[in-house]
Amino acid sequence: AQSVAQPEDQVNVAEGNPLTVKCTYSVSGNPYLFWYVQYPNRGLQFLLKYITGDNLVKGSYGFEAEFNKSQTSFHLKKPSALVSDSALYFCAVRALYSSASKIIFGSGTRLSIRP
Amino acid sequence: DSGVTQTPKHLITATGQRVTLRCSPRSGDLSVYWYQQSLDQGLQFLIQYYNGEERAKGNILERFSAQQFPDLHSELNLSSLELGDSALYFCASSVMGASTDTQYFGPGTRLTVL
Repeated sequence: AQSVAQPEDQVNVAEGNPLTVKCTYSVSGNPYLFWYVQYPNRGLQFLLKYITGDNLVKGSYGFEAEFNKSQTSFHLKKPSALVSDSALYFCAVRALYSSASKIIFGSGTRLSIRP
Repeated sequence: DSGVTQTPKHLITATGQRVTLRCSPRSGDLSVYWYQQSLDQGLQFLIQYYNGEERAKGNILERFSAQQFPDLHSELNLSSLELGDSALYFCASSVMGASTDTQYFGPGTRLTVL
């Protein structure tokens, strides 16, 4: 069975500091990993995804994520946080069992950036 | 703006009632997904359609059903509503419904069951 874990409900960072939002996954076979962000009263917005290739994936708004197969992790990072990055972040995993594979979302991490 | 539209934005109804949520995918996308987001259950995948056919099923209750029409819009029908069905319901779409596809989410429909 596939699963994804976001161990931190909330992450607090000062503006200008680097940020990391953690995600670990469990899946049989090759994982396809995604990060989405949700602003208040809005739908989820796609940030980035890892399918194959370079372990460091660059996405929208200056975010990047590093795929680590040995640690089964896909942590989201940004070198310098902005107050506007404050939102709810979801990690998701999907595995290619078949074309009917399902996407599983983590429980979400609330990122709070203080000025 | 993702290009995915959902109507209505808000829906307030009573227990035992039936409602229909509507979703129009992005232009060119063939696959539609439905999700439920609640405080206690998080974001749960309900069902996926691809070009009118059911592709994958998640934690969808028997009281819920969905379909995708020839013009590719989709409807999620919720019946015999219970208080616990109060949640945000999201629709997403993707090009082919493949595992590698990026899903683009609509703004959601907030359902309140009183």
